[in-house]
Amino acid sequence: GAGVSQSPSNKVTEKGKDVELRCDPISGHTALYWYRQSLGQGLEFLIYFQGNSAPDKSGLPSDRFSAERTGGSVSTLTIQRTQQEDSAVYLCASQSGGETQYFGPGTRLLVL
Amino acid sequence: AQSVTQLDSQVPVFEEAPVELRCNYSSSVSVYLFWYVQYPNQGLQLLLKYLSGSTLVKGINGFEAEFNKSQTSFHLRKPSVHISDTAEYFCAVSSPGTSYGKLTFGQGTILTVHP
Repeated sequence: GAGVSQSPSNKVTEKGKDVELRCDPISGHTALYWYRQSLGQGLEFLIYFQGNSAPDKSGLPSDRFSAERTGGSVSTLTIQRTQQEDSAVYLCASQSGGETQYFGPGTRLLVL
Repeated sequence: AQSVTQLDSQVPVFEEAPVELRCNYSSSVSVYLFWYVQYPNQGLQLLLKYLSGSTLVKGINGFEAEFNKSQTSFHLRKPSVHISDTAEYFCAVSSPGTSYGKLTFGQGTILTVHP
């Protein structure tokens, strides 16, 4: 079946603009994660959705970052008033019951 | 809090040589352990995982890892590498519990296999 998909694959934006990154998890997977991969910080957890439970937002770096998951499926990560330090690869992963997370190819964000 | 240390940022080896990528972790609770591989411009792919049971875990592409609780290590090994194994490798931990899937990653090890 289809894996985790993310869009866009690449995004270039100007400092101060808002961006939306989309993740389509594997069908039926109840858990969804966002991670950020940057040169200075490596791979960092951002946010975690599990079914209808309140999301774990403990990894979001600032209040400019937010995410939602509609209908228990697609998720959108929004970054408001982007800064140059937001430049990174944003990875989404989904999981179903077990311990293995399946990762998407990522969105490469460049803030000029 | 958990942390993962990958002791080598880069490991160059020749084709058909053995390789070991080192990973140490710190956690006050029990852990699950993972190795992921990332090929250029791609997402992460699971190589293997340790959840419980046998401490020697075999994964895809001929890789294996051994969980050593006393040394808090989970080193990745392959007896004979191929050019196609050139990639970045990440060790990660998570813990059973409310957010048990939340992964904490090491900084990654770039494996370069030379002909």
